Amino acid sequence: GQQVMQIPQYQHVQEGEDFTTYCNSSTTLSNIQWYKQRPGGHPVFLIQLVKSGEVKKQKRLTFQFGEAKKNSSLHITATQTTDVGTYFCAGNYGGSQGNLIFGKGTKLSVKP
Amino acid sequence: KAGVTQTPRYLIKTRGQQVTLSCSPISGHRSVSWYQQTPGQGLQFLFEYFSETQRNKGNFPGRFSGRQFSNSRSEMNVSTLELGDSALYLCASRAGTGTDTQYFGPGTRLTVL
Repeated sequence: GQQVMQIPQYQHVQEGEDFTTYCNSSTTLSNIQWYKQRPGGHPVFLIQLVKSGEVKKQKRLTFQFGEAKKNSSLHITATQTTDVGTYFCAGNYGGSQGNLIFGKGTKLSVKP
Repeated sequence: KAGVTQTPRYLIKTRGQQVTLSCSPISGHRSVSWYQQTPGQGLQFLFEYFSETQRNKGNFPGRFSGRQFSNSRSEMNVSTLELGDSALYLCASRAGTGTDTQYFGPGTRLTVL
């Protein structure tokens, strides 16, 4: 079935270092969304990418959607301790926006 | 606007029992989706309701069911609980139009003993 693979599973960085997480699908996505979940919290929507090759920035966060709409990445520049949490990508394969296929997430820890 | 609310926040049940979880979406949102989150399987889609109709269903056994009321509030029911049903159950609401985004509630932490 449809599956979104996300790597790495864990990432430990020193504060100030960069961080990147990658998502890959074997089939074309309609769109992809990114969420952040803090420890003990719930997923919070970060951004949605719809167009092939799309790049969006939110302050230190850069999101990319591949040309073939099969992969995506989230890059954080100069991590801060407030970036700690698990980052999930979630793909929509053309069905309802309410039916998302989530990657397993990348858990980011930041050492001060 | 108030966010998505879920009740109860924590629940402890024993095997074989049944449980009902409730979700109140953001005012004006007509779509409610339910997800199960476990350390091993991650976030998995259970089902989506829109205007009181089930629109999509994930790959879960028939013990998992849901419904939506005319005010868009939704309930999820799990019958004959198994140990493996222990999880965080999240509901997410959205307006239900086009490529709108989902907003998650805080979840209900279900523990099955």
